[in-house]
Amino acid sequence: DAKTTQPPSMDCAEGRAANLPCNHSTISGNEYVYWYRQIHSQGPQYIIHGLKNNETNEMASLIITEDRKSSTLILPHATLRDTAVYYCIVRYSGNTPLVFGKGTRLSVIA
Amino acid sequence: ETGVTQSPTHLIKTRGQQVTLRCSSQSGHNTVSWYQQALGQGPQFIFQYYREEENGRGNFPPRFSGLQFPNYSSELNVNALELDDSALYLCASSLDLTGGRDNEQFFGPGTRLTVL
Repeated sequence: DAKTTQPPSMDCAEGRAANLPCNHSTISGNEYVYWYRQIHSQGPQYIIHGLKNNETNEMASLIITEDRKSSTLILPHATLRDTAVYYCIVRYSGNTPLVFGKGTRLSVIA
Repeated sequence: ETGVTQSPTHLIKTRGQQVTLRCSSQSGHNTVSWYQQALGQGPQFIFQYYREEENGRGNFPPRFSGLQFPNYSSELNVNALELDDSALYLCASSLDLTGGRDNEQFFGPGTRLTVL
């Protein structure tokens, strides 16, 4: 079973920041937080991952709380193309499988 | 650098038949994982292959089997198809680095299987 809890859906206005929360209160010390998204009928797309520190790449920022029990994925300027299901996953390092929950369906509205 | 490709894109089978789905890994990747995604659900892990050996399996029956070839491409075989096998089948490739470093899995577009 997935070790994360996410809201089932969220809306965001185009051009605004989208903040997607994730709870992972049972995360262990060497588990990473990964984010993937899945645009309708396509394969999931890797976004970002982190262990303890906040991370940023060209797609998004990941903010992990100090106790590591929750995190937030931030899309700084959401566009219509960011409409997708976003999955937050906790995972050990190495080639362990991804355990997906139901994710958050983000709708970006013009 | 080529991405992960899967074939066919769509497939229709009848109950009891057998099916083979194919996946070509991203260049340089040596590990392939397969996932099943039912409508409205997140992907569920089927199994993983590393250097042509099964390297982990999810809660799927033995009629789901796989192969990985020396060029790291892979096949998923499903025997005795059931109606509930209708789903999007996804493969993901990754590079298994020594020392257990974290790595990303990169997904293909999937094969949509319909069992009638």
